[in-house]
Amino acid sequence: DTGVSQNPRHKITKRGQNVTFRCDPISEHNRLYWYRQTLGQGPEFLTYFQNEAQLEKSRLLSDRFSAERPKGSFSTLEIQRTEQGDSAMYLCASSSAAGGNEQFFGPGTRLTVL
Amino acid sequence: GENVEQHPSTLSVQEGDSAVIKCTYSDSASNYFPWYKQELGKGPQLIIDIRSNVGEKKDQRIAVTLNKTAKHFSLHITETQPEDSAVYFCAASYFGNEKLTFGTGTRLTIIP
Repeated sequence: DTGVSQNPRHKITKRGQNVTFRCDPISEHNRLYWYRQTLGQGPEFLTYFQNEAQLEKSRLLSDRFSAERPKGSFSTLEIQRTEQGDSAMYLCASSSAAGGNEQFFGPGTRLTVL
Repeated sequence: GENVEQHPSTLSVQEGDSAVIKCTYSDSASNYFPWYKQELGKGPQLIIDIRSNVGEKKDQRIAVTLNKTAKHFSLHITETQPEDSAVYFCAASYFGNEKLTFGTGTRLTIIP
């Protein structure tokens, strides 16, 4: 399968714990995006990388959130001191700079904070 | 920033009939408009997109139209089938600003 993959698919945690999600983009894609989707809403942009550089961060991304893409391949999204309001689907997408804005999404990681 | 509105929020059509979903956008700089289909428990799947240099694009039973003057674009699905049942999202962005701004989604139900 050459699509975007995300792990884990589901994560249940207690309030105050830290969680980390991983995204593996399509292999030839140099752009990688994180979005958050709550129930009944469309995805909301969080941040994006071109290669290893983080080029834009949404105001939704509070200080408790950090994303990395150290070698320009996979990316991690960490949430520290989770809150119940962090419960959502976290989606990763990738695209090729040569292919325009076409973004291809992974299956997402569903986070539940108890 | 960009704001995308999508209507209707739910739509039920008889199998074989056509379905139309409409979106409006606020930022006149937007020039890329994709449509995504999302099935339960899955990530959004890109089904068709259009760039502002064309007014219409078609791919088999799916078509998208764009009216730049009115800042709205629409998804048309003809000869609907049960497997078309899903939530559909429109989005907008422009080259140089890579983030997609999504609409709130339309839950399409095809009645057999």
